[in-house]
Amino acid sequence: DGGITQSPKYLFRKEGQNVTLSCEQNLNHDAMYWYRQDPGQGLRLIYYSQIVNDFQKGDIAEGYSVSREKKESFPLTVTSAQKNPTAFYLCASSRIGVANTGELFFGEGSRLTVL
Amino acid sequence: DAKTTQPNSMESNEEEPVHLPCNHSTISGTDYIHWYRQLPSQGPEYVIHGLTSNVNNRMASLAIAEDRKSSTLILHRATLRDAAVYYCILSPTGNQFYFGTGTSLTVIP
Repeated sequence: DGGITQSPKYLFRKEGQNVTLSCEQNLNHDAMYWYRQDPGQGLRLIYYSQIVNDFQKGDIAEGYSVSREKKESFPLTVTSAQKNPTAFYLCASSRIGVANTGELFFGEGSRLTVL
Repeated sequence: DAKTTQPNSMESNEEEPVHLPCNHSTISGTDYIHWYRQLPSQGPEYVIHGLTSNVNNRMASLAIAEDRKSSTLILHRATLRDAAVYYCILSPTGNQFYFGTGTSLTVIP
C-alpha cells in the first residue's frame, strides 16, 4: 500500500547525542515536510522540501538538519544543538501545489525522548 | 499568515450531528480552507477542503459562509471514532501548512 513510513516509532537519546529520524514515502510526491508537536500544542514546521537536493527552513529549524538525496526519502537529524528535543515528530508529503489539492499525507510519527 | 480561530474543545453525543466552527476573518480571495483531524498519538489525516462552495465527501461536509470569513465542519453522525483534535487551516504560503491548536472533540456514548 502507498504511504509514509517513519522510523523508529519510539527513540530515547542521551543529552549531547545526535539522532536521525527516517521518513520514506512511496506516493511519488515531490514535497516532503517535517513537523514537531509538543503536548497539547499544534504542529510546527521544521523543514520542507519541494524537490530533490533542495529544502527550506520552517519556523523552528534551529538545531535540526535534513537532506533530500532521493525523492522518496527525507531524513531529519536532531542535533545536540537542539535545546529541547523531546517531542513528537511527524513527517508528511504532498504533491506540489498542495494549497489547491488540499491533501497532506502524514506518517505515524516518531516520539523522541531525551534522557 | 492568515489565522484561524477555533474553540478549544467541544462535546457531542454519539450518533448526533456535530458542527465544528472556524473563524478566518483575514482570509484572502485565493485561500482554500482545509480541515484535518488527529487521533491520539497519530499523524493528522485529511478530512475535507474547499474554496467558496460547500463541499461534501464520505467523511464530512464543509459549509463556507458567503463572505468566507467563517466555515463549519459538519460530521453528520458522530461516532466514538470521531473523537479527535480537528484543525482548520487556510492554504499555505508556498507549500507550508500552519496548524493551530485545533478543537478537541469528545464524543459521549
